[in-house]
Amino acid sequence: QKEVEQDPGPLSVPEGAIVSLNCTYSNSAFQYFMWYRQYSRKGPELLMYTYSSGNKEDGRFTAQVDKSSKYISLFIRDSQPSDSATYLCAMSGGDSWGKFQFGAGTQVVVTP
Amino acid sequence: NAGVTQTPKFQVLKTGQSMTLQCAQDMNHEYMSWYRQDPGMGLRLIHYSVGAGITDQGEVPNGYNVSRSTTEDFPLRLLSAAPSQTSVYFCASSYRLDIRGGNTIYFGEGSWLTVV
Repeated sequence: QKEVEQDPGPLSVPEGAIVSLNCTYSNSAFQYFMWYRQYSRKGPELLMYTYSSGNKEDGRFTAQVDKSSKYISLFIRDSQPSDSATYLCAMSGGDSWGKFQFGAGTQVVVTP
Repeated sequence: NAGVTQTPKFQVLKTGQSMTLQCAQDMNHEYMSWYRQDPGMGLRLIHYSVGAGITDQGEVPNGYNVSRSTTEDFPLRLLSAAPSQTSVYFCASSYRLDIRGGNTIYFGEGSWLTVV
């Protein structure tokens, strides 16, 4: 079983809808939680990160972490065609500093 | 800041050839790493380094070699290329804790490698 599970999609939504992405994990030592966006033929770029549990909002993006359930989420409000990309979750922490664990990525397609 | 810079962007190798993927970062990050990304497999850690002179193996190290002589550079060497090493390779770097107190990793643009 992988330490981080993420549904690969694809997830297709109409423009303006809310995109909901999530990951589950098994290692309770993880403390840092990140979301990356990856466009085709590009490197992953950091979207958001949170430390420990709670919510964080940045513009149209909201990240949530529920450490008790080992579950993290990313919400994209008012989705745009430019949001079409693969979204990867990542996490690290505890005594595994530097050893980031990534989800396989969810492909999102926002249709005009 | 250029961030994390990888070269070359594209490369075709014949089986058995060797080559080096270059990676440099200008953010004074202690931590550098190499990942490969394959369809359905996500990002898999090949090798990483927590500082100059220190390297360690990741999840899929076989067939690859690394060294870290300076803080800025972390080249990845393919010793004898095999078709199974056809992949996209990403170099990444990180502070132990970034300026906002987090632990995040920054990626280069990727190197597309085909072994025939």
